[in-house]
Amino acid sequence: AQTVTQSQPEMSVQEAETVTLSCTYDTSESDYYLFWYKQPPSRQMILVIRQEAYKQQNATENRFSVNFQKAAKSFSLKISDSQLGDAAMYFCAYSIQGAQKLVFGQGTRLTINP
Amino acid sequence: SQTIHQWPATLVQPVGSPLSLECTVEGTSNPNLYWYRQAAGRGLQLLFYSVGIGQISSEVPQNLSASRPQDRQFILSSKKLLLSDSGFYLCAWRRQGVDTIYFGEGSWLTVV
Repeated sequence: AQTVTQSQPEMSVQEAETVTLSCTYDTSESDYYLFWYKQPPSRQMILVIRQEAYKQQNATENRFSVNFQKAAKSFSLKISDSQLGDAAMYFCAYSIQGAQKLVFGQGTRLTINP
Repeated sequence: SQTIHQWPATLVQPVGSPLSLECTVEGTSNPNLYWYRQAAGRGLQLLFYSVGIGQISSEVPQNLSASRPQDRQFILSSKKLLLSDSGFYLCAWRRQGVDTIYFGEGSWLTVV
């Protein structure tokens, strides 16, 4: 069974600093996708960034970037120049190509200290 | 652009009462539709998904059911709510053949 593990229930960072959130996953598939979603206090799930497993290049979206290590089954999220609006729960998720199910980790609560 | 809406945003219902949460997607046709539940502010659990009108797949046996009466409408229902049905419910959609899922605003259900 596919599983996603986020080993850091909570993280905190000073405003303007950089923080990295960890995610590991377990799969025997070769074609899959990885995602980071942000859930602010409003509770809506917002897509932050996505990565196709067949791509070696790490995805980047403005201040957000990932470190995708396929052999290690690791998919960490780096947030640069942290802003107060980045405070949220962050969920790592995994999906097999062609499958309906998106498997989520348990989340990491990120606090930004002013 | 595509948008997804679900309602009501908040619901407090007594045990044994019925439930109906609705979700609609605009700006696309024949989307894949999903209902997820999030308990205790943690990970999401897939409850139902639909790849077309009248086609419902259940991931977890439970007290809930889902229906898709129209192409872009997805409804989550229960005939008799249990206390354990309390939680945050999220509707989501995905364009067929595309991997990324987008979520609605969510609905808070408290069963008392």
